[in-house]
Amino acid sequence: QVQLQESGPGLVRPSETLSLTCIVSGGSINNYWWSWIRQPPGKGLEWIGYIHYSGSPKYNPSLKSRVTISVDTSKNQFSLRLTSVTAADTAIYYCARVHPHGWSDYWGQGTLVTVSS
Amino acid sequence: DIVMTQSPDSLAVSLGERATINCKSSQSVISSSNNKNYLAWYQQKPGQPPKLLISWASPRESGVPDRFSGSGSGTDFTLTISSLQAEDVAVYYCQQHYTTPYTFGQGTKLEIK
Repeated sequence: QVQLQESGPGLVRPSETLSLTCIVSGGSINNYWWSWIRQPPGKGLEWIGYIHYSGSPKYNPSLKSRVTISVDTSKNQFSLRLTSVTAADTAIYYCARVHPHGWSDYWGQGTLVTVSS
Repeated sequence: DIVMTQSPDSLAVSLGERATINCKSSQSVISSSNNKNYLAWYQQKPGQPPKLLISWASPRESGVPDRFSGSGSGTDFTLTISSLQAEDVAVYYCQQHYTTPYTFGQGTKLEIK
């Protein structure tokens, strides 16, 4: 059974960089796409982007200038960096596995990141 | 971006009754190459991540009770719960995975009447 676990700071200062890592266990990171999705408290889901295990990330244009997703196959993990954060970036951040046809079939439990001074 | 619009925003249904949630996409999400609808449904309970219920607009994921069914094609889709159970209280989202950025509906909150 594939499991995903997000990790990273729960509090980030405005204008700084949010950095999260998703560790994949119970299966290999190879041969799949991997995504980040976020959910502001009490609101809906926003797709941030995904990356293939071999690279080639794809980002939501609304965040493209600020987001970087990378993968480390040797550690079976992938990461998210979001620069110049504001309060609007406060959200639960989920990592998920992407089926080859695009739906997200395995999700992490999510981690709340608050942007505040 | 493809805009996904769900209706209603919230829904209260009696136990054992049918619940119907609609999802409309701003453009077709059916692929001409395989004639499949790139539309998924998720269930999210409080404090939990979303759970995939249905992919390709209608096939249920393994382990999903058969009271859940999906239908529709092109731009109009429906999630139906044939006989509502207490454990079905949740927020339901549709998502198009036809083209990036993948987009979600705003969610439909399902409660017990």
